[in-house]
Amino acid sequence: NAGVMQNPRHLVRRRGQEARLRCSPMKGHSHVYWYRQLPEEGLKFMVYLQKENIIDESGMPKERFSAEFPKEGPSILRIQQVVRGDSAAYFCASSPSDANTGELFFGEGSRLTVL
Amino acid sequence: AQSVTQLGSHVSVSEGALVLLRCNYSSSVPPYLFWYVQYPNQGLQLLLKYTSAATLVKGINGFEAEFKKSETSFHLTKPSAHMSDAAEYFCAVSVSSGGKLIFGQGTELSVKP
Repeated sequence: NAGVMQNPRHLVRRRGQEARLRCSPMKGHSHVYWYRQLPEEGLKFMVYLQKENIIDESGMPKERFSAEFPKEGPSILRIQQVVRGDSAAYFCASSPSDANTGELFFGEGSRLTVL
Repeated sequence: AQSVTQLGSHVSVSEGALVLLRCNYSSSVPPYLFWYVQYPNQGLQLLLKYTSAATLVKGINGFEAEFKKSETSFHLTKPSAHMSDAAEYFCAVSVSSGGKLIFGQGTELSVKP
């Protein structure tokens, strides 16, 4: 039973390029969450999605960042025109549709470096 | 709004000594509380969770935490530290099923031989 799969594990981009991070939730999970971890900081919530719907995007920067979770395929976090401040570890987590405890299952993260 | 505060960004203990990592929460409704552990360059792994059942919760690797409503605390303890416990520990709160977790800023635990 595979866990939450994220790819790429490491991504290097130059300023102004686009970064796409992918997340496949655990089997049977239909809720996906994205978190960002900056160096020496905790995890900051970005966005919560269910299939084809954004439920809570209160932690997403207003510009350049977008997320989707299509009916088929992985969830994608997209960062346009990256800047050095976007360098961070981005973690995806999932939970089952009938979760009653709030527990999240995390992937190993995608580490973005912006040169 | 819910929030979590972890007291102490770095804690250092000797091998075999008691581990105590502090977490205080703020929530207007009964919360679900969690402790996660993160090893270097890895994702977060659930240690234990409180979901309004027993106030003393036992987790993996010998860790446990006690929910104290009067103190709004959920401190993590382990009687005897092991070198393999060195990691970053995060306390988190959730107030609804299927909802997001709010994390504390983390406590890095170092274990000295």
